[in-house]
Amino acid sequence: GAVVSQHPSWVICKSGTSVKIECRSLDFQATTMFWYRQFPKQSLMLMATSNEGSKATYEQGVEKDKFLINHASLTLSTLTVTSAHPEDSSFYICSAEFRDNFPDTQYFGPGTRLTVL
Amino acid sequence: AQTVTQSQPEMSVQEAETVTLSCTYDTSENNYYLFWYKQPPSRQMILVIRQEAYKQQNATENRFSVNFQKAAKSFSLKISDSQLGDTAMYFCAFIVVQGAQKLVFGQGTRLTINP
Repeated sequence: GAVVSQHPSWVICKSGTSVKIECRSLDFQATTMFWYRQFPKQSLMLMATSNEGSKATYEQGVEKDKFLINHASLTLSTLTVTSAHPEDSSFYICSAEFRDNFPDTQYFGPGTRLTVL
Repeated sequence: AQTVTQSQPEMSVQEAETVTLSCTYDTSENNYYLFWYKQPPSRQMILVIRQEAYKQQNATENRFSVNFQKAAKSFSLKISDSQLGDTAMYFCAFIVVQGAQKLVFGQGTRLTINP
């Protein structure tokens, strides 16, 4: 149980285009999902918290107009990188909160590698 | 501020040996959960073990166990009979109960198991 998928796993796009990344909880409902960014050999940096049916909460320094987050259902959250530029190239990871007998445990998707040319 | 410190950027041991990864954290809260996640070369984050701060008994999951010292704010991970598949980046993290639901991560320890 507690499986999270991400799609696509790898995407290359041209500068100025938009890219959408999907995060799905496959076998549970997730009221809350999270989006992280990870640079090579570094830890995860939280970008935003996504709550189903409401606006996402962005971390300080994250441009909400550039990184659009939509959590339209209890199993799907999307991250859209708008007008992507080479500096947006990174590894993006989502997680979903699974409230089992041990609350507040996040399970992670496999990540999406974004390369902007 | 809430922080996690992993003082060992890299570690390397021989297969079948036991290895301990250090983690200290700082929070003024009393009720929180602690986690160890591993990130192998595939980059998939995998939950290794978790611990409730109010429990004194150390958590164990097969070859993985923790040494939780609440007063010292220490949460080390012990891997027994290490295997090649244990090679990964290991992240220590915690989350405050009833807080902002944010996982606070350490910078990670890169563990290599040598054959």
